[in-house]
Amino acid sequence: DSGVTQTPKHLITATGQRVTLRCSPRSGDLSVYWYQQSLDQGLQFLIQYYNGEERAKGNILERFSAQQFPDLHSELNLSSLELGDSALYFCASSVDGASGADTQYFGPGTRLTVL
Amino acid sequence: EDQVTQSPEALRLQEGESSSLNCSYTVSGLRGLFWYRQDPGKGPEFLFTLYSAGEEKEKERLKATLTKKESFLHITAPKPEDSATYLCAVNTGGFKTIFGAGTRLFVKA
Repeated sequence: DSGVTQTPKHLITATGQRVTLRCSPRSGDLSVYWYQQSLDQGLQFLIQYYNGEERAKGNILERFSAQQFPDLHSELNLSSLELGDSALYFCASSVDGASGADTQYFGPGTRLTVL
Repeated sequence: EDQVTQSPEALRLQEGESSSLNCSYTVSGLRGLFWYRQDPGKGPEFLFTLYSAGEEKEKERLKATLTKKESFLHITAPKPEDSATYLCAVNTGGFKTIFGAGTRLFVKA
């Protein structure tokens, strides 16, 4: 158990809908990262937050947004969902993230299925 | 363009048959290289972090090494429970983490 929690574990929804994925980092970690893992693309970095502020952006679609709250938990919002958004979404956290070289600890993931 | 390539894509070993997995990288500024193990449907489990060429780290049957262009994950006398996908990732000067596609390891008893 990494100490990172994600809810829900599974989510099934329809095209065009909007969903919110939630992540609680390990105790004491200030950085949260979001990743998407699909069968054909491997693990893709989406976005990083450090102590409430956006730190780095990867291949995140405009339909997706994220935020980190004062208690350091984070939410990833996915809107106008398409079939191709079906994937495993992972959250990771690290102690600092300021240097960019922190070890990231991953949560168990949320499996999103868009029908 | 920053890139991380892992080889082989899949590796089948007999129990006790030692081997190595490769991770080669081309990045603008390496801040750290990470190895993870991932079981199907689960989140990646942290194994090692390496920061500079020449660095080595060991844990049970696994040993990770780093040069200026690649990293190796050596598996000594593997057991069936070592079967998993092993992921390599690098953190670049732009604070982005790039993962390789992984090596699927199968160890047969």
